[in-house]
Amino acid sequence: DTGVSQDPRHKITKRGQNVTFRCDPISEHNRLYWYRQTLGQGPEFLTYFQNEAQLEKSRLLSDRFSAERPKGSFSTLEIQRTEQGDSAMYLCASSPVAPSYEQYFGPGTRLTVT
Amino acid sequence: AQKITQTQPGMFVQEKEAVTLDCTYDTSDPSYGLFWYKQPSSGEMIFLIYQGSYDQQNATEGRYSLNFQKARKSANLVISASQLGDSAMYFCAMREGLGGSARQLTFGSGTQLTVLP
Repeated sequence: DTGVSQDPRHKITKRGQNVTFRCDPISEHNRLYWYRQTLGQGPEFLTYFQNEAQLEKSRLLSDRFSAERPKGSFSTLEIQRTEQGDSAMYLCASSPVAPSYEQYFGPGTRLTVT
Repeated sequence: AQKITQTQPGMFVQEKEAVTLDCTYDTSDPSYGLFWYKQPSSGEMIFLIYQGSYDQQNATEGRYSLNFQKARKSANLVISASQLGDSAMYFCAMREGLGGSARQLTFGSGTQLTVLP
C-alpha cells in the first residue's frame, strides 16, 4: 500500500502531557499538509511543508504545536501541554508539486485529552 | 478571505436515485480549484472530483459530476444512481491558486448523506 499513513491511529492522553504524531506521505510527493478536524466540522488547515521547508502556518497552530519534516519525507506533529480543546482528529495529506491540485489524505490520528 | 458554505447538514436519497449536494464559495482570487471529498464513518477523506476555475466544462468522474456555475459561485456535487455505500459525510473544499502556487484547502462544514434501501 503506497497511500498516506499515520501513526498512531488513536491516542488518549491526560491534560498537560505531550504527544507526537507521525505522518508518512506518498513517497514521491513533495508537499505535506496537517489539518485538524473536530466533531461535526470540516478539516481546518494547520501547516504545510514543501520538502523539508515549512512554508505556512495557520493561526490555529499555537506555540504549543510544532511540526517538522526533517528530511523531506515523513513529518511529525507535536503538541505540548495538551488541553482538552486539543481533542480532535489530526489529518495528514500529501500532494505532488505538479499537478498539485489533489491532496491525498491519511486515515488520521484521533486524539482524546482527558 | 476564502469561504465555503454547505447549507445542507443532512440529506436523504433513495437507492438508485440521483442527489445534489450544494456548495457555494467565496474568493477574490481568480485562480482557484474546487474539490469534493467523501468521508465515511471510518474517517479517511477520499477525493472524488476536482474543478479548476478556468475549466470550461463541468468535471465528471464516474457517477460523480460537479455542476460548476462560476457566476453564482456554486459547485454542487451530483451523484447519480446512488448506492448504499455512498452513505457518508461529503465535504466541499477550495484552494486558492492553481498549479505550483496552490496551497492549503479550505473546507465547508459538510453534508451527511444517507442512502435509503
